[in-house]
Amino acid sequence: DTGVSQDPRHKITKRGQNVTFRCDPISEHNRLYWYRQTLGQGPEFLTYFQNEAQLEKSRLLSDRFSAERPKGSFSTLEIQRTEQGDSAMYLCASSPSGRNYNEQFFGPGTRLTVL
Amino acid sequence: AQSVSQHNHHVILSEAASLELGCNYSYGGTVNLFWYVQYPGQHLQLLLKYFSGDPLVKGIKGFEAEFIKSKFSFNLRKPSVQWSDTAEYFCAVNRDSWGKFQFGAGTQVVVTP
Repeated sequence: DTGVSQDPRHKITKRGQNVTFRCDPISEHNRLYWYRQTLGQGPEFLTYFQNEAQLEKSRLLSDRFSAERPKGSFSTLEIQRTEQGDSAMYLCASSPSGRNYNEQFFGPGTRLTVL
Repeated sequence: AQSVSQHNHHVILSEAASLELGCNYSYGGTVNLFWYVQYPGQHLQLLLKYFSGDPLVKGIKGFEAEFIKSKFSFNLRKPSVQWSDTAEYFCAVNRDSWGKFQFGAGTQVVVTP
C-alpha cells in the first residue's frame, strides 16, 4: 500500500496524559498536513509542513500541541496534558509539489478518545 | 467569517434517484474546489476537483460538479445513485497561496435499496 499511513489507528488515554501520533506520507510528497475532525464536522486544519519546515499553524493548535517533521519524511503530532475536548479524529494528508500540490491525499486517521 | 457551507447535513434517498448536494463558499478571488467522499470505515477520497477551465467537472463513480462563479457555488450531482453511494460527502476550498483546505461540515447521504 503506497498511500498515507497513520499510527496508531485508535488511542484511548486518560486526561492529563501525553500522546503522540505518527504519519507517513506518500513517498516523495513534500507537503504534509494535519487536520482534526470532530463528530458532525468537516476536517479542521491544524498545521502543515513543506519538507521539514512547518509553514503554518492554526490557532486551534494550542501550546499543548506540537508537530514535527524532522527529516522531511514522516511527521509526529504530540498532544501534552490531554483534555476531554481533544477527543477527535486526527487526519494526516500529503501532497506532491508542482502543479498538483493542491490535491491532498488523506490517511485513515487516528481516533483519539480522552477519558 | 469566511467559510464553506454545505446546505444539507443529512440526505436520504432511494436507489436510482438523482442526487444534488449544495456547496457555497465565501472567499473572493481565485479558488480551487474539491469534493471528497468518506465511505463507512474508510478514509477521505477525492471525488473530483476544479482548478480552472470548463466549469462542469466530471469525477469518479459517475459524479459531476458545476462551478458557478457568480453564485460562489460548486454543487455535486449524480443522476442515479446506488446503495454503494452511501457515504459522507465533503466540499473543500483551497487557494494557491494556502497550504490548507477549508472544509464544509459534510453531508451524510444514505441510499436505501
